[in-house]
Amino acid sequence: AQSVAQPEDQVNVAEGNPLTVKCTYSVSGNPYLFWYVQYPNRGLQFLLKYITGDNLVKGSYGFEAEFNKSQTSFHLKKPSALVSDSALYFCAVRDMASGGFKTIFGAGTRLFVKA
Amino acid sequence: DTGVSQNPRHKITKRGQNVTFRCDPISEHNRLYWYRQTLGQGPEFLTYFQNEAQLEKSRLLSDRFSAERPKGSFSTLEIQRTEQGDSAMYLCASSTEQLNTEAFFGQGTRLTVV
Repeated sequence: AQSVAQPEDQVNVAEGNPLTVKCTYSVSGNPYLFWYVQYPNRGLQFLLKYITGDNLVKGSYGFEAEFNKSQTSFHLKKPSALVSDSALYFCAVRDMASGGFKTIFGAGTRLFVKA
Repeated sequence: DTGVSQNPRHKITKRGQNVTFRCDPISEHNRLYWYRQTLGQGPEFLTYFQNEAQLEKSRLLSDRFSAERPKGSFSTLEIQRTEQGDSAMYLCASSTEQLNTEAFFGQGTRLTVV
């Protein structure tokens, strides 16, 4: 079965410091990977995706993610965190085993950026 | 606003009552998804439509749940005889057919069953 794991429930970082939110995946075949962000009482907003190509993917709001096939990881990164980045972040994989029409989400990682 | 729209945003209902939620997807998207999200968890897949056809239902979707997309545009999710365990955020998303495209989510409907 296809799945993603987010090993950290919470990540704390000081404003201006680099941040990393971790994600590992388990898929059969080539992975289609996504990161979404959720602010309080809001739906999910798409940040970036990896389908194929360069291992470093750039997305919205200065975020980027590094795809590592050997480590089956897709960690989300940002060089300099902002207080406004504080939110819930979800890693997700497209379930190609069932035809690719549904996306499976991790449990989420709450990011706190302290001023 | 051309995003995914969900109504109502909040619903409080008594146990045993029926509730219905509506989702209006992005107009050119022919795929529509329903997810449920409980506190501290990621969204869990409930069901999926390609145009008006409902192609898969999760085992999470008991017989009390039904979803429709009659004309391939908006969709409704109905929960009959609500239970306290149904309290959650219900999220709708839509996308095009291409596998390499992301889904766009609405702001969700938060259901509280008292």
